[in-house]
Formats: sequence, C-alpha cells, structure tokens
Amino acid sequence: AQSVTQPDIHITVSEGASLELRCNYSYGATPYLFWYVQSPGQGLQLLLKYFSGDTLVQGIKGFEAEFKRSQSSFNLRKPSVHWSDAAEYFCAVGSNDYKLSFGAGTTVTVRA
Amino acid sequence: DTGVSQNPRHKITKRGQNVTFRCDPISEHNRLYWYRQTLGQGPEFLTYFQNEAQLEKSRLLSDRFSAERPKGSFSTLEIQRTEQGDSAMYLCASSSTGLAYEQYFGPGTRLTVT
Repeated sequence: AQSVTQPDIHITVSEGASLELRCNYSYGATPYLFWYVQSPGQGLQLLLKYFSGDTLVQGIKGFEAEFKRSQSSFNLRKPSVHWSDAAEYFCAVGSNDYKLSFGAGTTVTVRA
Repeated sequence: DTGVSQNPRHKITKRGQNVTFRCDPISEHNRLYWYRQTLGQGPEFLTYFQNEAQLEKSRLLSDRFSAERPKGSFSTLEIQRTEQGDSAMYLCASSSTGLAYEQYFGPGTRLTVT
C-alpha cells in the first residue's frame, strides 16, 4: 500500500526567505504525486501535481516541486515566502484507483 | 461560486445521536470522494462514487457509516450512534473521470461529539 511521510511537523521561516518542505513516498509503481495547501477554515487547494515527464513541476502561487525517483521524494519549494503562505501543507500520492493517501502535513509559520 | 460545498460547516452532537452531512460537488464532476481528517493528521480516504455507484469503501468506514449519492449529484454521509472517536473534519472532494486525480475539496464539516 502507498504511504507518504512528511518529516517536518512545523517549519518557521522569515518573510522573503526560501522554503522547502520535504515529502517521501512509498509506492510500488510510478507514483502520481500532489501537494495541497490548507488554510484555516478553508478546504484543501491543489498546488501542483506530478504524473510523468519533467521532474520539476511548477504550480500556483510560485511553488515548485521536484520528483526524485532515486530518493522517493517530492519536495516542495518556494524561493521567497510571503506572509500569506502561512498554512498547512500536505503531500499526497495517488493510487491506480484514484484514492489519495496524504502525509500528516507540515505547518508553516511565516515571521515578519 | 461553482466549487464544492458542504453543509453544515460545523456540527456538535451528543454521543449516540445520528448525524448527516451533505456534499454538493462541482456540477460537471461525476466522481465524488469522502475523506476524514483528525487533528494533526492528513485526510484519510473513506469512500468514493462514480456517478451514483459507490465503488469503494475503506475499512475505516464502520457499519455505523453510510454514504449515498442517489442521483449522481449531491452526496450524503450519515453516521449512526455517534461516538467520541468520530469527532473529526469530514471532507468531500469531486473530480471528473478524465482527470480523476485532480480532486477539488470542499471546506469540510467539523463534527464534535460530546
């Protein structure tokens, strides 16, 4: 069965600094990988997805993620964080039957 | 707003009572999913529908839980004889068949069982 590990429960970053959130997955076949963001009181919003092809994928809000098969990782990055990026971020892997398995999430705090 | 909507947004109930939640998906989406999210965890898959057919149920979905999507549009999730362990955020998502992995989530229904 597929699973996702997000090693960092909480990250604090200064506004304007770069951000990297780690995600490791376990899946036997070619994975479909996703990053979602959840703000308080809001639903999950899809930031980006990887299905195949170029291993560096661009998403919304200036985020990007890189798929590294050798490391079973799909880390999320943003070069310059804005205060509005404070939220909880979830990495997910999709199985053949379209179910998503999520990690436990990383909470990002942005300090001024 | 043409996004996924869920009602109610919050529900407080006493242990042993029955509760029902509703999800209205994006109108052209024929797949609908239910997930449960507990504090400090990511969402966990519960069940999903292709049109009105319920295609899979997680082992997390005990006999007290039932979901329906009678006309292939909105869906309801009912929990009978609620327990304190049922307290969670219940999330609904929808997608089209061709883009089944692009799931759009609603804001969720937060259930508190006292």
